[in-house]
Amino acid sequence: EAGVAQSPRYKIIEKRQSVAFWCNPISGHATLYWYQQILGQGPKLLIQFQNNGVVDDSQLPKDRFSAERLKGVDSTLKIQPAKLEDSAVYLCASSGAGIEGTDTQYFGPGTRLTVL
Amino acid sequence: EDKVVQSPLSLVVHEGDTVTLNCSYEVTNFRSLLWYKQEKKAPTFLFMLTSSGIEKKSGRLSSILDKKELSSILNITATQTGDSAIYLCAVLGADGLTFGKGTHLIIQP
Repeated sequence: EAGVAQSPRYKIIEKRQSVAFWCNPISGHATLYWYQQILGQGPKLLIQFQNNGVVDDSQLPKDRFSAERLKGVDSTLKIQPAKLEDSAVYLCASSGAGIEGTDTQYFGPGTRLTVL
Repeated sequence: EDKVVQSPLSLVVHEGDTVTLNCSYEVTNFRSLLWYKQEKKAPTFLFMLTSSGIEKKSGRLSSILDKKELSSILNITATQTGDSAIYLCAVLGADGLTFGKGTHLIIQP
C-alpha cells in the first residue's frame, strides 16, 4: 500500500515570501490532517479535512495560512506571508478504514521549511 | 483542553537494556491512545490502544494502557541502536489528536 506523499521535502524561503506544500493521502482515506512540528515539540494540528470539508481549523493562523482539499483527495497548505517562527516540519497525515480502524493516522515524510 | 505528558523527555541507555517510556493524559471523551516512533522524518505508527485493546505487543516492543490511571507505558526490551528515536504518544479525544512532546531515546553501543 502506498503511503502518504508530500512535496517538496525541503524548502528555504525568506520572510514575507509565500510557500505552498502538497499532500496526497493514502488511497481511500477520507480524513486528511496538516500538522506543524516545531523542533523539540510534538506535532500541532493545523487543519483537519473530512473528504473536502473542514472539520477543525481552530489552530490554523488564518491571517497567513490557508489550506484546501478541493476534490477530497489531494490537499495544499499555503503560507503567505511567511514569518521566521513558521520554520518547522509540516506533516500531512491521513486516516481511514485500515485494519487498525479509522483512528490511526499515517504520516507522510513531511516538508522541512526554513524561513530566513 | 486535552493534555498529554510524556516522561522522561530524554533517556540514554546501553544496547541490550530494557526501557520503559511513560505517557499520561487528560482528555475529554477518550477514544484511543497511539504510540509513534519518529526518526529523522515523519512519525511511524507503532500501536493503538483502546478500551477494548489495552495491551499490544510486537517483537521487542509492547505497550499497556491503564485507563484507571490515565496512562500508558511503552516497553522496549533488548534495545538496539536502531531503536534510537523520539517516541511520541498521542491521545484521541474530544479535541482530536493531541501529541505529547516525546521521549528522546538514545541507545549507546
